[in-house]
Amino acid sequence: AQKITQTQPGMFVQEKEAVTLDCTYDTSDPSYGLFWYKQPSSGEMIFLIYQGSYDQQNATEGRYSLNFQKARKSANLVISASQLGDSAMYFCAMRAGSNTGKLIFGQGTTLQVKP
Amino acid sequence: DTGVSQDPRHKITKRGQNVTFRCDPISEHNRLYWYRQTLGQGPEFLTYFQNEAQLEKSRLLSDRFSAERPKGSFSTLEIQRTEQGDSAMYLCASSLRGRGPGANVLTFGAGSRLTVL
Repeated sequence: AQKITQTQPGMFVQEKEAVTLDCTYDTSDPSYGLFWYKQPSSGEMIFLIYQGSYDQQNATEGRYSLNFQKARKSANLVISASQLGDSAMYFCAMRAGSNTGKLIFGQGTTLQVKP
Repeated sequence: DTGVSQDPRHKITKRGQNVTFRCDPISEHNRLYWYRQTLGQGPEFLTYFQNEAQLEKSRLLSDRFSAERPKGSFSTLEIQRTEQGDSAMYLCASSLRGRGPGANVLTFGAGSRLTVL
């Protein structure tokens, strides 16, 4: 079965510090993609970062990096130098297989950045 | 390009009524997706299209739900005989099928919030 698990319902981080949001996944398909999205209180889903299953290096996008540990089936999001505007819900998602566009999402983690 | 547009943004209806949502994807995107999201939960996949073909539909989706994308551009999601449990945010997204990291990234609309009384 294909599944995404986010075990942290809520996280706090001090402004300017780094924070790691956990994500584990389960799939038997060797070709898959992992995504992180941010959903602020306004509701829109914002794409942050992508990691392909065959990518050799961890993905990075500005202050976002994805700590991809294939053997452990984890794809944790690291946000460096947290800002107040990072306060939001964060979702990990997976596209399992090369012939589908469908993403399955985890339950999400609420991040609050403290000033 | 103004992104993915959804209409209406909010809909309040009485139980038993039919409702229809419209989604206009990014023009060059050939894939279109519908998701449902309830408060505090992750988006739940409903169905997706590649051009006008409906390629996949969630087994959790009741027969009261139907989606169309007749000309491979905009899509509609209809819910017949609404129930209170249908109250949720209905999200539309689009993507471009292809290779590389930029392809297959879903761009979401702002959503259509349904309240069933």
